[in-house]
Amino acid sequence: SQQGEEDPQALSIQEGENATMNCSYKTSINNLQWYRQNSGRGLVHLILIRSNEREKHSGRLRVTLDTSKKSSSLLITASRAADTASYFCATDYSGYALNFGKGTSLLVTP
Amino acid sequence: GAVVSQHPSRVICKSGTSVKIECRSLDFQATTMFWYRQFPKKSLMLMATSNEGSKATYEQGVEKDKFLINHASLTLSTLTVTSAHPEDSSFYICSAGLAGGPQETQYFGPGTRLLVL
Repeated sequence: SQQGEEDPQALSIQEGENATMNCSYKTSINNLQWYRQNSGRGLVHLILIRSNEREKHSGRLRVTLDTSKKSSSLLITASRAADTASYFCATDYSGYALNFGKGTSLLVTP
Repeated sequence: GAVVSQHPSRVICKSGTSVKIECRSLDFQATTMFWYRQFPKKSLMLMATSNEGSKATYEQGVEKDKFLINHASLTLSTLTVTSAHPEDSSFYICSAGLAGGPQETQYFGPGTRLLVL
């Protein structure tokens, strides 16, 4: 399997600031996805970027993908307290099962 | 649309008992469902892939006799933790792929927290 690795493991910022988290993976992929998980809850799909795409936007989210470096970044602009959650990157594994990274725990303080 | 539910959301049981967790796709058909396990502050680990009408495919290190999976219909998969022990305490999350939909699209359930005493 190719467990992704996110960094930082934990990030604490103030409301209004931007939050950037990174994900690295080991083998070639078809796509990479980012998910959010609030404490003790299920996962919410944020964005999917395909291997032939370099950047994608969705609202305050911006995702980049660099397949040569096998890495992706998630940028949340103008963060809000409600953005406090864990963020995971996930790559396709077998069939369409997902291989999840270890996650970044984001804390946004008012 | 594309809602996945899990039941129960939380369960506490005594060591040695069996616990069944249901995963349902409420408004779509799912030929494939996945079961993940998540330890506190850790990532999700794929346990098994469940295909409707056939045997589940288990990941390496996951005991198929311990974690029984049944995918009897296009909207329901069940995970039974047999003879549960405290080390089985965890957060179990299922996801479902939309039949005929893009392969990369999965919809996740809200998770079931299992505590074995």
